[in-house]
Amino acid sequence: GAGVSQSPSNKVTEKGKDVELRCDPISGHTALYWYRQSLGQGLEFLIYFQGNSAPDKSGLPSDRFSAERTGGSVSTLTIQRTQQEDSAVYLCASSLGSFGRAEETQYFGPGTRLLVL
Amino acid sequence: AQKVTQAQTEISVVEKEDVTLDCVYETRDTTYYLFWYKQPPSGELVFLIRRNSFDEQNEISGRYSWNFQKSTSSFNFTITASQVVDSAVYFCALRVAYGGSQGNLIFGKGTKLSVKP
Repeated sequence: GAGVSQSPSNKVTEKGKDVELRCDPISGHTALYWYRQSLGQGLEFLIYFQGNSAPDKSGLPSDRFSAERTGGSVSTLTIQRTQQEDSAVYLCASSLGSFGRAEETQYFGPGTRLLVL
Repeated sequence: AQKVTQAQTEISVVEKEDVTLDCVYETRDTTYYLFWYKQPPSGELVFLIRRNSFDEQNEISGRYSWNFQKSTSSFNFTITASQVVDSAVYFCALRVAYGGSQGNLIFGKGTKLSVKP
């Protein structure tokens, strides 16, 4: 079946502009995760969704970052007033979302490469 | 707090050599899960293996094998008879079963493996 898809694959924006990154999880997966991969920080957790709610937003670096998920499927990560330090690869992952979710494998999408000029 | 350390930043081997990628983790939790992911140049994180903290059996899958030792908090990954297609960045990750941060994977910094023909 189809894997996790993300769009756009690449995004170049100017400092101060807002950007929206989209993630389409594997069909039937109720848990969805956003991570950020940058040279200096490695892979960092941003936010986790179970269904449409986000029980763990602890990784969002500032209030310029927000995310939503509608219909238990597609999620959008929004970065407002982008800064150069936001340049990174933003990865989305999904998992089944069953009760024992800590042991669930997260399957990753190809990522969105964001460059803020 | 949890932490994953991959001390080897880069490894270069010649095809057909065996190579071991080290992973050391830290957690006070008794129930946790360990993962290895591969990130080829295309960028997508590919799941390789998951182990839980109660199962220290080593595992072999083709040319890949994993050695989990709780006594040394290590979960090392060995590739036997390496091939050029094994060239990638390999990430070790930890996920705890309980607590506020149970949603997210905690990644090591990754080890870049280059296999030369």
